[in-house]
Amino acid sequence: AQKITQTQPGMFVQEKEAVTLDCTYDTSDQSYGLFWYKQPSSGEMIFLIYQGSYDEQNATEGRYSLNFQKARKSANLVISASQLGDSAMYFCAMRESQGSGYSTLTFGKGTMLLVSP
Amino acid sequence: DSGVTQTPKHLITATGQRVTLRCSPRSGDLSVYWYQQSLDQGLQFLIQYYNGEERAKGNILERFSAQQFPDLHSELNLSSLELGDSALYFCASSVSLSTEQYFGPGTRLTVT
Repeated sequence: AQKITQTQPGMFVQEKEAVTLDCTYDTSDQSYGLFWYKQPSSGEMIFLIYQGSYDEQNATEGRYSLNFQKARKSANLVISASQLGDSAMYFCAMRESQGSGYSTLTFGKGTMLLVSP
Repeated sequence: DSGVTQTPKHLITATGQRVTLRCSPRSGDLSVYWYQQSLDQGLQFLIQYYNGEERAKGNILERFSAQQFPDLHSELNLSSLELGDSALYFCASSVSLSTEQYFGPGTRLTVT
């Protein structure tokens, strides 16, 4: 089974509207972290937001918020007031701690977001 | 700018050749990660180093190797290159094993 599932290959939104990008995850760990990264057409990977599995409040960073529903194993990214510059590929990722001190990130396949004027 | 630097930005080489990709982590970051991004495989974790020691291996081929030096920069060596090795190779760094990773701009490798 895939560890990170992003079911939306592409999303369209109009400028200034809010958009939600879906992410579900699969882990048996109690301690894990969830991340969202943005990859514009230029190729770089930009860290957006992080949610720890023990965090009780949803993470927020400016216009980005993470809707964390632990029981449903979902970590959706909400972008408020979309801007043209938000057009990019968005990746959800999970870090699972391995106990011995190392951890790795597993990425989903990504969602392409296009923001129109 | 994430503070992670990677050189070269682009690399074009022939099958069977060997190349070295270089990464300098953000100042203060002890952990370095290497990822490969291709159209068919997506973004895949290759290998992780923490303060000079290898800590985790992902889907890294035996033809590939890496190391982290005492000054914390890292190199990824790719040998006996095949057409399928063409990809964007990212280096990322983090302060510790539990914090967010910051990615470099990537090295785009084209094998002809």
